[in-house]
Amino acid sequence: GAVVSQHPSRVICKSGTSVKIECRSLDFQATTMFWYRQFPKQSLMLMATSNEGSKATYEQGVEKDKFLINHASLTLSTLTVTSAHPEDSSFYICSATSGRYNEQFFGPGTRLTVL
Amino acid sequence: GDSVTQMEGPVTLSEEAFLTINCTYTATGYPSLFWYVQYPGEGLQLLLKATKADDKGSNKGFEATYRKETTSFHLEKGSVQVSDSAVYFCALSDLAQAGTALIFGKGTTLSVSS
Repeated sequence: GAVVSQHPSRVICKSGTSVKIECRSLDFQATTMFWYRQFPKQSLMLMATSNEGSKATYEQGVEKDKFLINHASLTLSTLTVTSAHPEDSSFYICSATSGRYNEQFFGPGTRLTVL
Repeated sequence: GDSVTQMEGPVTLSEEAFLTINCTYTATGYPSLFWYVQYPGEGLQLLLKATKADDKGSNKGFEATYRKETTSFHLEKGSVQVSDSAVYFCALSDLAQAGTALIFGKGTTLSVSS
């Protein structure tokens, strides 16, 4: 299967700072990337859908000004958590797909801790 | 809207026991169905999938059959191992709609002891 990486795997930051998380498709061109958020012992909740070259589509209740998503190329999408607060602490997971696949490929996730 | 319902966990079994994790879904179209596994501290891995009714997905001894009449996709394994301890997520997606996100169930934690 195709490989998706995320960087960093873990990040700890102070409240009020911004954090950028990268999601890369390593061996295929991802026309669509998804960003999910997972709270401890809970399921994955879709935050936004990102198509290359266009603005991300955010799910209801997700603040687009707080969670900035950029999908500038077919192999890279970034999620920037702006002015992070402790309640933003979570496990963020991206996935990627393209028209040649009938499944999504998940990154290993990024654990964000905001102090 | 579409949704997935999984049995509540945790599920605790002894090694070599039989495993069933129930999953039912509601969908307006004809979704594809998936089981994902998440080992401690890791991301999600696709375990198996089925794209149409009566299809059986299988991998690593796990099986699930797409039952349209009961809208179910129960996960089974005949003999679990300690290494199967993980969180299992049932999910659906309308693959006919390009770029459609997965809808996940809440996950079921499986703990297998020796």
